[in-house]
Amino acid sequence: GENVEQHPSTLSVQEGDSAVIKCTYSDSASNYFPWYKQELGKRPQLIIDIRSNVGEKKDQRIAVTLNKTAKHFSLHITETQPEDSAVYFCAASIRGSNYQLIWGAGTKLIIKP
Amino acid sequence: GAGVSQSPSNKVTEKGKDVELRCDPISGHTALYWYRQSLGQGLEFLIYFQGNSAPDKSGLPSDRFSAERTGGSVSTLTIQRTQQEDSAVYLCASSLEQGVEQFFGPGTRLTVL
Repeated sequence: GENVEQHPSTLSVQEGDSAVIKCTYSDSASNYFPWYKQELGKRPQLIIDIRSNVGEKKDQRIAVTLNKTAKHFSLHITETQPEDSAVYFCAASIRGSNYQLIWGAGTKLIIKP
Repeated sequence: GAGVSQSPSNKVTEKGKDVELRCDPISGHTALYWYRQSLGQGLEFLIYFQGNSAPDKSGLPSDRFSAERTGGSVSTLTIQRTQQEDSAVYLCASSLEQGVEQFFGPGTRLTVL
């Protein structure tokens, strides 16, 4: 079946450095790619999303890039801060499931002071 | 307006008992999803409802799990004859339609003793 692979599972970066999390998807018809942040004990919340008709989107320190040919998309966080520590989930819409979201396994981002 | 709400926030039950978890989606959202999240794990899709269409039950782990959505709004997830492995946080999410941002509720933490 369709799936989304997310790497790495854990990422530790020094405060102020950049962090990059990558996801690959299998359905070439996927057209929506959100990223969610889940802080400890809280609900997942959308931080940025991108549609298949654009290659990059930015929102302050956060950016998402999409490579449709290679079927992968990435989350970039610049100038990381302690409050960026969380688990990040990527997802992709799957045509075969009426464009329901298929989720990556998550990346635990640790910001070292 | 109000976000997605879930009740109860915590539920402790004994093995073999039935439990009901409730989700109130955002008003006007046609899509509603149930997920299960075990400690430190990702989002496990259980079931989704889209408008008046038949629900997608493909993620339900066993026939002990069922869900309904009355009047296109409130949803109830029922787990019969609970087992210890059912212990997890059960998250509900809703979206305006399929393939767009999902808004998550705070979750119900289920503990089966």
